[in-house]
Amino acid sequence: GAGVSQSPSNKVTEKGKDVELRCDPISGHTALYWYRQSLGQGLEFLIYFQGNSAPDKSGLPSDRFSAERTGGSVSTLTIQRTQQEDSAVYLCASSSIAGGPGGTQYFGPGTRLLVL
Amino acid sequence: KNQVEQSPQSLIILEGKNCTLQCNYTVSPFSNLRWYKQDTGRGPVSLTIMTFSENTKSNGRYTATLDADTKQSSLHITASQLSDSASYICVVSEGSGTYKYIFGTGTRLKVLA
Repeated sequence: GAGVSQSPSNKVTEKGKDVELRCDPISGHTALYWYRQSLGQGLEFLIYFQGNSAPDKSGLPSDRFSAERTGGSVSTLTIQRTQQEDSAVYLCASSSIAGGPGGTQYFGPGTRLLVL
Repeated sequence: KNQVEQSPQSLIILEGKNCTLQCNYTVSPFSNLRWYKQDTGRGPVSLTIMTFSENTKSNGRYTATLDADTKQSSLHITASQLSDSASYICVVSEGSGTYKYIFGTGTRLKVLA
């Protein structure tokens, strides 16, 4: 079946603009994660959604970052008033409830964001 | 601060040779440790998952070992292939919530013909 998809693949924006990144998880996966991968750095946890529970937003670096998950499926990560330090690859992953929170994560290809 | 350290940062080997990648962690409490393979421009793909009670886990030519006492793990790749060229990332769960993972910065492996 289809894996995790993300769009756009690449995004170039000007400093101060807002951007919206989209993630389509694997159908039926209740857990969804957003990570940020900066050059030479390990993946940084941003936010976690599990079913209808309140998301864990503890990894969001500032109030310019927000995320939603509509209908328990598609998720969008929004970055307002982008800064150059926001430039990174934003990765989305999903996992099934069968695997639980410790189960196998399936990652999308990422969105490469460049803020000029 | 919890950390996951990987070595070497990069490695070049000839096709057919074996190699071992290292991961040391200070995460405590510990729930599970994973190894991922990340091809350039792609998302990471899970290779192995081990809980604290497991010492070894294999996936084809990939074998991961875990010593929870010394907080060390290794990933051994046997009979390397050109397609093994990628970054290999060690990931450790924080334990308090098993969806919280600490990612290492990875080892970049290049396999040459």
